[in-house]
Amino acid sequence: NAGVTQTPKFRILKIGQSMTLQCTQDMNHNYMYWYRQDPGMGLKLIYYSVGAGITDKGEVPNGYNVSRSTTEDFPLRLELAAPSQTSVYFCASSYQGVGYEQYFGPGTRLTVT
Amino acid sequence: GENVEQHPSTLSVQEGDSAVIKCTYSDSASNYFPWYKQELGKGPQLIIDIRSNVGEKKDQRIAVTLNKTAKHFSLHITETQPEDSAVYFCPREGSSGDKLTFGTGTRLAVRP
Repeated sequence: NAGVTQTPKFRILKIGQSMTLQCTQDMNHNYMYWYRQDPGMGLKLIYYSVGAGITDKGEVPNGYNVSRSTTEDFPLRLELAAPSQTSVYFCASSYQGVGYEQYFGPGTRLTVT
Repeated sequence: GENVEQHPSTLSVQEGDSAVIKCTYSDSASNYFPWYKQELGKGPQLIIDIRSNVGEKKDQRIAVTLNKTAKHFSLHITETQPEDSAVYFCPREGSSGDKLTFGTGTRLAVRP
């Protein structure tokens, strides 16, 4: 199993541009999550999904959108990128919710200038 | 949901010494207590977890102890090695019960 894969690994965006961060898991997990981590800080939940077709907001959803059309994929969309969105983005998945291990991808380092 | 209270925020130990990180929780109904380790440039990884019906769990050099009366659980690392240098998180359950709040973690540095 590849586990959780994320693309791209690095990206530089100009202010106002848009992009999609891709996340795929091959473990048939129901739950998927998007976190952001600012330098020296903890993880903040952006959005999560408990199954295909279901998404919900986390702590910091503003400026982002997600969709979950399949069990495997959970893309994160940034519209109108802003410098405050400069961060490292991690995707994670788990079989179910709390009580089950979350498996993290390698992250996407995004810089908005 | 619970806030994450973790102490200390940074910890520096000599190689071979022990390290202890403590996490305090407030919800008496909590029954799952995980510890995640994040190495530099990588995503977090679960290293050990414990359920509320168990007081202690060990896995080689790491252990987690749970004190339900005082509402805290601790990560113990013995015979620390340079590869133990990382950020450690004790995420807590969110208000809806289906997500975790990670907090800022504890940065452990092991001096060779």
